[in-house]
Amino acid sequence: GAGVSQSPSNKVTEKGKDVELRCDPISGHTALYWYRQRLGQGLEFLIYFQGNSAPDKSGLPSDRFSAERTGESVSTLTIQRTQQEDSAVYLCASSPAGTGVYEQYFGPGTRLTVT
Amino acid sequence: AQSVTQLGSHVSVSEGALVLLRCNYSSSVPPYLFWYVQYPNQGLQLLLKYTTGATLVKGINGFEAEFKKSETSFHLTKPSAHMSDAAEYFCAVSESGNNRLAFGKGNQVVVIP
Repeated sequence: GAGVSQSPSNKVTEKGKDVELRCDPISGHTALYWYRQRLGQGLEFLIYFQGNSAPDKSGLPSDRFSAERTGESVSTLTIQRTQQEDSAVYLCASSPAGTGVYEQYFGPGTRLTVT
Repeated sequence: AQSVTQLGSHVSVSEGALVLLRCNYSSSVPPYLFWYVQYPNQGLQLLLKYTTGATLVKGINGFEAEFKKSETSFHLTKPSAHMSDAAEYFCAVSESGNNRLAFGKGNQVVVIP
């Protein structure tokens, strides 16, 4: 079946512009996660959605970052007034449920470059 | 909060030699442990995971890992490296009731012919 998809695959933007990154999870997966992978670093948790519960936003690095999810489908990560330190690969993952025992299935990522 | 330590960002191994990637974690409760692999230009793929039960876990492509609670470790091994094993490997931990994964910084494995 179809895996997690993300768009765009690459995004180059100028400092100060807003960007939107999209994630389509695997159908039926109730949990959705966003991570950031900066060069030479491991993955950094950003935000987690589980069904209709309030999202866990504790990993968002600043108020310039926000994310939405419509039901159990598409999610959008928005970065406002982008800065050069926002350059990274943004990864989305989904899992069948929100407990830690379940494998998270990752998308291919969006490579964001802020010039 | 849970955390993961992977030492040695780049690991070189000869083809046919043992692959050993070390992972140590900290967790206040019994952890769930994962190894993910990222091949060039591809997304992360689960190699194996430990949740409960047998502490020696076998995964795909001949990899295995052993959970050692006393050492807070979950080292990844493969007896004989193949060229196709060249990739980046990440160890990750989550805690029961906690939905996020904490990742190590990864090991970039280079296989030398």
